[in-house]
Amino acid sequence: QKEVEQDPGPLSVPEGAIVSLNCTYSNSAFQYFMWYRQYSRKGPELLMYTYSSGNKEDGRFTAQVDKSSKYISLFIRDSQPSDSATYLCLNAGGTSYGKLTFGQGTILTVHP
Amino acid sequence: DSGVTQTPKHLITATGQRVTLRCSPRSGDLSVYWYQQSLDQGLQFLIQYYNGEERAKGNILERFSAQQFPDLHSELNLSSLELGDSALYFCASSVSADPSNQPQHFGDGTRLSIL
Repeated sequence: QKEVEQDPGPLSVPEGAIVSLNCTYSNSAFQYFMWYRQYSRKGPELLMYTYSSGNKEDGRFTAQVDKSSKYISLFIRDSQPSDSATYLCLNAGGTSYGKLTFGQGTILTVHP
Repeated sequence: DSGVTQTPKHLITATGQRVTLRCSPRSGDLSVYWYQQSLDQGLQFLIQYYNGEERAKGNILERFSAQQFPDLHSELNLSSLELGDSALYFCASSVSADPSNQPQHFGDGTRLSIL
């Protein structure tokens, strides 16, 4: 079983839609959860970061962790064409040090 | 702009050759990470250096090696290149040795094409 599993999509939604991106993880000892966004021909950039469980909101973005089901979610409200990118989740902590394992990434397209 | 500089942006070479990719981390960051990204494998961690010392190793092939110099820039050396090594290679940096509770800042990558 992969440490982090993510549906690669692609996912295509109309502008203004609510987007839900999801990952499952296997190592319950890792307490840190992150979402990175990667635009085409660019490196990933950190979008959201949460520790342990619960929700975290930042503008139109909400990150949610459900530790009971080992599920990580990213919600995007009022999606915009500029949100079109690949979204990568990851779960880290403990002695993983640099061995961060990213999900496969979900390709999102928001069309006008 | 992440502050991480990778050179060259593109590299085209032939099988069996050797190449060196270079990375300058963000000012103040002591850790450097190397990743390989391909369509079928996603973003794969290769190796991490912290303040000149190897800190963590991922699925890095024996044909690949890296080092971090006293000025903290890093180089990734790829030798005996094979067609399957064609990929995007990213460098990232962070302040401390443990990236699990802090962001990594990524460069825009080097696209390596093996002909």
